[in-house]
Amino acid sequence: KAGVTQTPRYLIKTRGQQVTLSCSPISGHRSVSWYQQTPGQGLQFLFEYFSETQRNKGNFPGRFSGRQFSNSRSEMNVSTLELGDSALYLCASSLGGGQGWTEAFFGQGTRLTVV
Amino acid sequence: GESVGLHLPTLSVQEGDNSIINCAYSNSASDYFIWYKQESGKGPQFIIDIRSNMDKRQGQRVTVLLNKTVKHLSLQIAATQPGDSAVYFCAENRRGSQGNLIFGKGTKLSVKP
Repeated sequence: KAGVTQTPRYLIKTRGQQVTLSCSPISGHRSVSWYQQTPGQGLQFLFEYFSETQRNKGNFPGRFSGRQFSNSRSEMNVSTLELGDSALYLCASSLGGGQGWTEAFFGQGTRLTVV
Repeated sequence: GESVGLHLPTLSVQEGDNSIINCAYSNSASDYFIWYKQESGKGPQFIIDIRSNMDKRQGQRVTVLLNKTVKHLSLQIAATQPGDSAVYFCAENRRGSQGNLIFGKGTKLSVKP
């Protein structure tokens, strides 16, 4: 069974540009969550999508957005990039159904560097 | 404030010894507590979870203990091996927000051969 796949692995962008990151969840998983990891702030939740709908959202500005497709693949977009957006962006997939937590599997992340 | 935090940023142990990694949390509404291991250049890897109605759960070489009275979580690794060297994160999942994990800052475990 294939794991969570994130593309690209590495990305360098210039301030002011926008970027789109992709996440393919484990087959059969319907929930995809996105996290930002930095040395200073650690792992912070961005948002979660389940069945193409945003179900939860963290405390990030509106420049950070996402979407989920009918095959559960998800993309996140960051517009008007700032130097502080440099981070490892991780996505996690889980079954997601019901009310309780289900085990979340992480991808290897996309390392974004803003210059 | 409402947060999940770790007592120690680094832990160094001898190969073969047992390791204990601690975590404090402050929100009583959390339903699940989870431990993840992250090796350099990789995403977090699930180790073990425990539901809030349990005190202890064991896996292969790992045990998680939950003390709700003092809002404390710990991960015990038996017979620590060099391959256990990594950063360990505790995380909590709050009821009604199942896709949202709130992570602690992490503890770096170094195993000396």
